[in-house]
Amino acid sequence: KAGVTQTPRYLIKTRGQQVTLSCSPISGHRSVSWYQQTPGQGLQFLFEYFSETQRNKGNFPGRFSGRQFSNSRSEMNVSTLELGDSALYLCASSLRLAGGLNTGELFFGEGSRLTVL
Amino acid sequence: QKEVEQNSGPLSVPEGAIASLNCTYSDRVSQSFFWYRQYSGKSPELIMSIYSNGDKEDGRFTAQLNKASQYVSLLIRDSQPSDSATYLCAVDEGGGYNKLIFGAGTRLAVHP
Repeated sequence: KAGVTQTPRYLIKTRGQQVTLSCSPISGHRSVSWYQQTPGQGLQFLFEYFSETQRNKGNFPGRFSGRQFSNSRSEMNVSTLELGDSALYLCASSLRLAGGLNTGELFFGEGSRLTVL
Repeated sequence: QKEVEQNSGPLSVPEGAIASLNCTYSDRVSQSFFWYRQYSGKSPELIMSIYSNGDKEDGRFTAQLNKASQYVSLLIRDSQPSDSATYLCAVDEGGGYNKLIFGAGTRLAVHP
């Protein structure tokens, strides 16, 4: 069974540009979450999608956005990049249990490492 | 502000010893707790989940939960050099949205 696939793995952008990151979840997983990991702040929740709907959002500015497609694949976008956006962006997929609750057991992709110059 | 606290380490243990990793959390309503392992340069990998007070064992790993004390721990028996990694404690914020609050992680070093 294929794991969570994220593309691109590495990218370098300059301030003011925008970036789009892509995530394909594990087959059968309908919940996709995005996290940002930096040495200073650790792992921080960005947002979670299920059935093409954003169900929860972390404490990040509106420059950070995302979407989910009908096949559960997800993208996140960061506009007007700042130096502080340099980070590892991790996508995680999860099963959604009957009854509507997620397990909280996340399966992470290898991440997209963004460097903003 | 919901918080998850871990000792950053490094925690250094000899091969074959028991490694004990600890975590406290601030939100009393949290119901789901997780331990993730992250090797340097890699993404986090789920190793244990625990939802009820008490112990849960899986191979060499035992997770312990005490909701009254808001305390979660992970014991690694017969530690191996391959266990050397950063261990992240995570608490589900609740609501069914897979929003996990992660601690900063404890770096474990197992030396031969």
